[in-house]
Amino acid sequence: DIQMTQSPSSLSASVGDRVTISCRASQSITTSLNWYQQKPGRAPKVLIYAASSLQGGVPTRFSGSGSGTDFTLTITSLQPEDFATYYCQQSYSTPYTFGRGTRLEIK
Amino acid sequence: QITLKESGPTLVKPTQTLTLTCTFSGFSLSARAVGVAWIRQPPGKALEWLAVIYWDDGKKFSPSLTSRLTITKGTSVNQVVLTMTNMDPVDTATYYCAHVTMIRATTTQFDYWGQGTLVTVSS
Repeated sequence: DIQMTQSPSSLSASVGDRVTISCRASQSITTSLNWYQQKPGRAPKVLIYAASSLQGGVPTRFSGSGSGTDFTLTITSLQPEDFATYYCQQSYSTPYTFGRGTRLEIK
Repeated sequence: QITLKESGPTLVKPTQTLTLTCTFSGFSLSARAVGVAWIRQPPGKALEWLAVIYWDDGKKFSPSLTSRLTITKGTSVNQVVLTMTNMDPVDTATYYCAHVTMIRATTTQFDYWGQGTLVTVSS
């Protein structure tokens, strides 16, 4: 199985801040990497697919980059509705695996 | 618009078999490059992919659970059924079904999700 390691596991930030979340795969997954946002009691929502493609309807303050084993989700100018947990997920091969999540909290 | 909804028991006893149904609308599971996946999330923990069924009836399973899982297209054309045998308290989780878009073989995404259903395993 491909292991996905996210860092940090939690992060405190303020409205208006720029934040980055990292995700590392245990082997190369080219650009087969998706990012999801999950709010408490809600299903996850895809933000970024194929490492850097913005899902329709997602604000442009979200962006993704990376290839191979190292990936980054960046949120510029944090908004109150962005405080949530973020997961990366590889789609390179089954079993499709998720990272353990990064909880983004209000400072 | 694509919607999915999970249904099934909220409480099962250890050793029992869990049967969950995903009822969907807004897409056809016979359309090329489409699938339906099941993902679960124990309380307070991370997401875990379980299984996927594709438009061509191809199926993939989590290796750690493959002996316990079955995924099928339901008797209704807009349903997918997941069964998990020999349930244990560690299987307590919210179970989600999700629409899968396959852009290419190594680029898929879970782009629409059901609301999830909490299944508790307890005697």
